[in-house]
Amino acid sequence: NAGVTQTPKFQVLKTGQSMTLQCAQDMNHEYMSWYRQDPGMGLRLIHYSVGAGITDQGEVPNGYNVSRSTTEDFPLRLLSAAPSQTSVYFCASSPPLGSYNEQFFGPGTRLTVL
Amino acid sequence: AQRVTQPEKLLSVFKGAPVELKCNYSYSGSPELFWYVQYSRQRLQLLLRHISRESIKGFTADLNKGETSFHLKKPFAQEEDSAMYYCALGWANNLFFGTGTRLTVIP
Repeated sequence: NAGVTQTPKFQVLKTGQSMTLQCAQDMNHEYMSWYRQDPGMGLRLIHYSVGAGITDQGEVPNGYNVSRSTTEDFPLRLLSAAPSQTSVYFCASSPPLGSYNEQFFGPGTRLTVL
Repeated sequence: AQRVTQPEKLLSVFKGAPVELKCNYSYSGSPELFWYVQYSRQRLQLLLRHISRESIKGFTADLNKGETSFHLKKPFAQEEDSAMYYCALGWANNLFFGTGTRLTVIP
């Protein structure tokens, strides 16, 4: 199993550009989520999904869209990038609903918005 | 509202010395608490969870509901313990992370 994969690893955008960060998992996990990691702020939840076709907002959803058309994929879209979105983005997945399930993280995407 | 506080951004200890990484939480219900670790150039990974009451890599963490704490402890630090450590509170399948503590073990 590849686990949780993310592409690209690095990306530089100009303000106003759009892009999609890809996330895929091959563990048949129902739950997937996106976090951003900023210095001194830890990881903050952006959006999450409890299954195909179901998404919801986390702590910091503004400026990001998600969709979940398949169990495997959970892309994160930036419609109009802003410098405040410069961050490292992590995707995570976990088995079916259950409070004590371990979350498995991807390697991260480092995004810089100029 | 749920909140996780890690008061130390940086912590340095000598090899062989005891280490304690502090974590305090704010949550009205029964908490589900975790420690995640991120080694250099590796993915964030689960270290331990309070429900398991386990020791992983020599680390333990005890939930103290009276003090609302979940401190991570190890009696004898090793160089390979140098990493970023995050305390996290689980709620409705989501994780709320603290700001993290970077542990450096000095040879």
